[in-house]
Amino acid sequence: DIHMTQSPSSLSASVGDRVTITCRASQGINNYLAWYQQKPGKVPKLLIYAASTLQSGVPSRFSGSGSGTDFTLTISSLQSEDVATYYCQKYNNAPRTFGQGTKVEIK
Amino acid sequence: EVQLLESGGGLVQPGGSLRLSCAASGFTFNNYGMNWVRQAPGRGLEWVSGISGSDGSTYYADSVKGRFTISRDNSKNTLYLQLNSLRAEDTAVYHCAKASFFLTMASPFDFWGQGTLVTVSS
Repeated sequence: DIHMTQSPSSLSASVGDRVTITCRASQGINNYLAWYQQKPGKVPKLLIYAASTLQSGVPSRFSGSGSGTDFTLTISSLQSEDVATYYCQKYNNAPRTFGQGTKVEIK
Repeated sequence: EVQLLESGGGLVQPGGSLRLSCAASGFTFNNYGMNWVRQAPGRGLEWVSGISGSDGSTYYADSVKGRFTISRDNSKNTLYLQLNSLRAEDTAVYHCAKASFFLTMASPFDFWGQGTLVTVSS
């Protein structure tokens, strides 16, 4: 099975900072990669799919890139409402594995 | 408006069984794959199982294979997860999640239910 590894596991940044989260697949998954945001006490929300396509209604400060094994989620200007845990997920086939999560906090 | 409402969770002893349900509305249920994802307290997301909308093909994580069974009743717009031989490590909130793309399981999940808590303890 393909393993998904995110880094870092947590980060602290200031409002307005550019934030980057990395997700690495143990084997190539083309662009079958999604990013989710989970705020405390809430269900996950789909942010990005196909590695770089923004889900409808998601602010444009979020962007995704990558293909194959290495992927990135970028928040261009961190806002206070972006405090959350972010997960990547491969969805090309089963098991549709999630990364372990990256917790984003405000400094 | 898409709605997913889980039920059936509760406290069960190790080795016991539960049946979870997810009532869906707001979309053409049989056109979309459905999944179960769990989250243990304070932990990350774990995909558990999926079922296609068209031919009913099923998929499982290794951690639950042979113990859990996913099914769906398209006439009732309801997804199920039968949990058998439960272990302490199965304790989690279980969410149902809808596949985003029409008629394919190769899809992210665009709608999630609030979840139902399963606690396995003696």
